[in-house]
Amino acid sequence: NAGVMQNPRHLVRRRGQEARLRCSPMKGHSHVYWYRQLPEEGLKFMVYLQKENIIDESGMPKERFSAEFPKEGPSILRIQQVVRGDSAAYFCASSLTGSGSNQPQHFGDGTRLSIL
Amino acid sequence: AQSVTQLDSHVSVSEGTPVLLRCNYSSSYSPSLFWYVQHPNKGLQLLLKYTSAATLVKGINGFEAEFKKSETSFHLTKPSAHMSDAAEYFCVVSDNAGKSTFGDGTTLTVKP
Repeated sequence: NAGVMQNPRHLVRRRGQEARLRCSPMKGHSHVYWYRQLPEEGLKFMVYLQKENIIDESGMPKERFSAEFPKEGPSILRIQQVVRGDSAAYFCASSLTGSGSNQPQHFGDGTRLSIL
Repeated sequence: AQSVTQLDSHVSVSEGTPVLLRCNYSSSYSPSLFWYVQHPNKGLQLLLKYTSAATLVKGINGFEAEFKKSETSFHLTKPSAHMSDAAEYFCVVSDNAGKSTFGDGTTLTVKP
């Protein structure tokens, strides 16, 4: 009964390095969402992907951030040249096929990114 | 455009007393509404969802929420708080394209 799996759970990077966060959706789910949660704040939508397609990236910063969800393998959120302000918890969620609004999203336990 | 406002950032109740977490929303569509709970260092767990069926929605762990269109509200309630209910709670509105907007969260503290 594997849920949404995110790894690593904790990631430490120095300023200027790259961070790669992985997300394997629940079995049978082909819709993936990434969110960022800053300390003491709620979740902010970043990007919505289906297999091999970015559907909505309106919440992604214009530079340094990218996301993919290849045909095979996990979804990847990539942050290049990280800065201190990127320190946050990054959550991935998945939902069942179909983009109807009544599909709940199932969340992973998140990746906590710390920038030194 | 859609938005969610959780009216209280912190709520504190005594164990065994009722819980009320307030949520107001705005949406251009007939929205779907959700409540999620987040325990420390964990992801979000779905408590309940409203999807234009019954306006009173029952969820897990004794929680329920009532959709009131006239008030654009979707408040979360529980008759009797338990210590294990202490967590962060998020109200979420979702449009028909699958995009979800989260409230800023309400921290529930339960005192013994």
